[in-house]
Amino acid sequence: GAGVSQSPSNKVTEKGKDVELRCDPISGHTALYWYRQSLGQGLEFLIYFQGNSAPDKSGLPSDRFSAERTGGSVSTLTIQRTQQEDSAVYLCASSLVSGGGNQPQHFGDGTRLSIL
Amino acid sequence: DAKTTQPNSMESNEEEPVHLPCNHSTISGTDYIHWYRQLPSQGPEYVIHGLTSNVNNRMASLAIAEDRKSSTLILHRATLRDAAVYYCILRDVSGNKLVFGAGTILRVKS
Repeated sequence: GAGVSQSPSNKVTEKGKDVELRCDPISGHTALYWYRQSLGQGLEFLIYFQGNSAPDKSGLPSDRFSAERTGGSVSTLTIQRTQQEDSAVYLCASSLVSGGGNQPQHFGDGTRLSIL
Repeated sequence: DAKTTQPNSMESNEEEPVHLPCNHSTISGTDYIHWYRQLPSQGPEYVIHGLTSNVNNRMASLAIAEDRKSSTLILHRATLRDAAVYYCILRDVSGNKLVFGAGTILRVKS
């Protein structure tokens, strides 16, 4: 079946511009996560959505970062006034239910964001 | 989430078994042990997870020590496609996010 889909796969933009990254989770998955992976760095958690609950935004690095999840499905991660340090691969994952260490997360292949 | 310790890198020959170790001495009774791998230019891929008993699936086996302070991911016959970074992660029953460490870089020689 279809996995997690992210678009665009690559995005190059100028410093100061806003960008939107999209994630289509696996159908039926109620939990959705955003992570980012900077060059030579590990993966770091950004934000998590579960159903209609308030999202866990504890990993967002600044108020320039925000995310929405409409209709409990598609999610958009928005970065305003991009900076060069925002350059990274942004990864989205989904899982059947949140919480519970007994559920695996399924990842997309990410959006590679480059800020000039 | 409790911390895990993995070797920085390992090397294996193609067609041979690979044992990837992970130490997690501060694991709590409710922590699941998860393994993910990340191939070049791809997102992480779920491999296997377990709580107390050893687990097998089509990708790998997970051997968990009796005291649960360590575990080993076993690839029964390594292929070139198994070359990746392997992450051992602990998730408690209420945990949502995954906390990734540096992982183990596995190189497979033909």
